[in-house]
Amino acid sequence: DAMVIQNPRYQVTQFGKPVTLSCSQTLNHNVMYWYQQKSSQAPKLLFHYYDKDFNNEADTPDNFQSRRPNTSFCFLDIRSPGLGDAAMYLCATSRDRETDTQYFGPGTRLTVL
Amino acid sequence: GQNIDQPTEMTATEGAIVQINCTYQTSGFNGLFWYQQHAGEAPTFLSYNVLDGLEEKGRFSSFLSRSKGYSYLLLKELQMKDSASYLCAVMDSNYQLIWGAGTKLIIKP
Repeated sequence: DAMVIQNPRYQVTQFGKPVTLSCSQTLNHNVMYWYQQKSSQAPKLLFHYYDKDFNNEADTPDNFQSRRPNTSFCFLDIRSPGLGDAAMYLCATSRDRETDTQYFGPGTRLTVL
Repeated sequence: GQNIDQPTEMTATEGAIVQINCTYQTSGFNGLFWYQQHAGEAPTFLSYNVLDGLEEKGRFSSFLSRSKGYSYLLLKELQMKDSASYLCAVMDSNYQLIWGAGTKLIIKP
C-alpha cells in the first residue's frame, strides 16, 4: 500500500509557466519535506513542515513555494520554472524531526521545455 | 562546512560481497542513515546507526565508528537487483539530514 504518494510522476512544463506538484501521505506523520534531486547528485532539501510550521532552507530560491493545507497533503509550487529547475522532486515524511527515518514518495520528474 | 564522502561508483560480481564506505564531517551527530535508490526512483530506507558497531539486516549490514566519522554498508550474496545507488546521510545537531552524493553500484553477472 502506497504510504507517500506523489502526483504526477512526470510533469512537463514550459519555461516560465507555473507548475504545482502534489504529495499526500497516509502515515499521519508530523513532518513533510520537499527535496530537489538532480542526476547523480545528493537530494537537496528545499523546505519542510513540522505540522503547520514552515521551515525554508536559506538557499532555496524564492521561485519555490510550498503549502500544507492539512496533515496529509503538501504542495510544491514553482512560480516561474527555469531550465535549471528540471529535476526529480522528492517528497518525504517522518513521524518526528528528531532522528526519525524519512520515507520517500516515488518522486515527480519535472521537465522544463 | 559539512561534508559526506563516498565513492562515486563501484563494480562487483553477482554472488560476491561489496563494502561501500562513507566518511563524514558534520556539526554534531544524531545518527547515520543508508538509503538505496534505483535509477529514476525514490530512495528507500535501508539502515540507521547511532551507536558504534555493526547492525545486521539480512544480506545487508551497516557499521558505524563515531570517533572516526566513518560508516560502511556491507552487501552480501549480491544479486542483480542490488544494482542501484547507495546514499549515506548523517543527521546533524540541528536534526538536518546531510546527504552524500551516493555510490552507484554496478553488479556484473
